[in-house]
Amino acid sequence: GEDVEQSLFLSVREGDSSVINCTYTDSSSTYLYWYKQEPGAGLQLLTYIFSNMDMKQDQRLTVLLNKKDKHLSLRIADTQTGDSAIYFCAESKPGGYNKLIFGAGTRLAVHP
Amino acid sequence: DTEVTQTPKHLVMGMTNKKSLKCEQHMGHRAMYWYKQKAKKPPELMFVYSYEKLSINESVPSRFSPECPNSSLLNLHLHALQPEDSALYLCASSQVYRETNTEAFFGQGTRLTVV
Repeated sequence: GEDVEQSLFLSVREGDSSVINCTYTDSSSTYLYWYKQEPGAGLQLLTYIFSNMDMKQDQRLTVLLNKKDKHLSLRIADTQTGDSAIYFCAESKPGGYNKLIFGAGTRLAVHP
Repeated sequence: DTEVTQTPKHLVMGMTNKKSLKCEQHMGHRAMYWYKQKAKKPPELMFVYSYEKLSINESVPSRFSPECPNSSLLNLHLHALQPEDSALYLCASSQVYRETNTEAFFGQGTRLTVV
């Protein structure tokens, strides 16, 4: 079955690293995404990883995937106040269109 | 250009009104989606159009009627809505590939309030 779970809240100090965690249950090959949503706005695609990869880095963002534990994390280096938002983990199957299954979202609060 | 444009940004409608939400993309994507997002919840898929044909209807009530007039446009017609239908309605689009990944890009949403 399909189920994506996330912790609901994370608070970090400006300049520190943030790590947002996600677990998924589907054991077949899948794509895993991180989206960012600021208050009152739509979803911004940050990055994605295929389930046969271990890691992907894109500037301040690092995605780590532990396939054995079905655990995904998003690390934001040098977190800034503009990073305050809700971060959604999502998964979908390859091929065809993109039917996303979202986690509940993690609210990241960055304080000085 | 990865822009998906939704209009209007805000909409207040009565339970007897008929209104439409509009979505447009010019990325050449052949799949378009409607999602509904209630406050403090993740988005939930409502409809998927692939090559202008309805591919998925996630058991959405008939008071929501989607339409895909061409490959760039997606509408959501609303009629006789209930207050519990108040939510952020998000449109998204993506390519359609046989075996590989396709990234979905979202619009800014229409904030709908039913009174």
